[in-house]
Amino acid sequence: NAGVTQTPKFQVLKTGQSMTLQCAQDMNHEYMSWYRQDPGMGLRLIHYSVGAGITDQGEVPNGYNVSRSTTEDFPLRLLSAAPSQTSVYFCASSYSVGEQLWGYTFGSGTRLTVV
Amino acid sequence: GQQLNQSPQSMFIQEGEDVSMNCTSSSIFNTWLWYKQDPGEGPVLLIALYKAGELTSNGRLTAQFGITRKDSFLNISASIPSDVGIYFCAGSYTLQGGSEKLVFGKGMKLTVNP
Repeated sequence: NAGVTQTPKFQVLKTGQSMTLQCAQDMNHEYMSWYRQDPGMGLRLIHYSVGAGITDQGEVPNGYNVSRSTTEDFPLRLLSAAPSQTSVYFCASSYSVGEQLWGYTFGSGTRLTVV
Repeated sequence: GQQLNQSPQSMFIQEGEDVSMNCTSSSIFNTWLWYKQDPGEGPVLLIALYKAGELTSNGRLTAQFGITRKDSFLNISASIPSDVGIYFCAGSYTLQGGSEKLVFGKGMKLTVNP
């Protein structure tokens, strides 16, 4: 099993450009999430999905869109990149057992710089 | 929303020493998770706790799910240089719609001097 795979690992964008960060998992997890990590801020939730066709906003959703057409994939779109979106982005997946999350696994991250 | 207070923010210890860190909240959580992150990598799960009062060990690591469900601690015994990194706590709680959400502490940076 590959676990959670994120691509690309590094990306530089110009302000106003758009791009999609890819995330795929092969563990049949129903939960998938996107976080951004900034110095001194820890991990902040951008968007999450509890299953194919279902997405919801997290703590810092502005400037990002997501969709979940399959269980395996959860892409994150930046429609018009801004310097404030310079960050390291992590995708994670998990499954639920009753009211608890199990197997919460992170990808290795995408380091994005917006100039 | 729910917030986690993780402390301390950083620690500098000598190899062989023990280290403790904890996370507290005013809210109740269903699950507590402890992660370690190495530079340039994603967080890696160290220990998961699913029951209030649960005490779990993984090698030199020991973690406990507080009896009130509002806190958790992680201990590392006999530290070694490869323990260097950032340690995060995370707690999951149930939203009104029934789905689970995970919130993270801000992390503790551990430095181990050989």
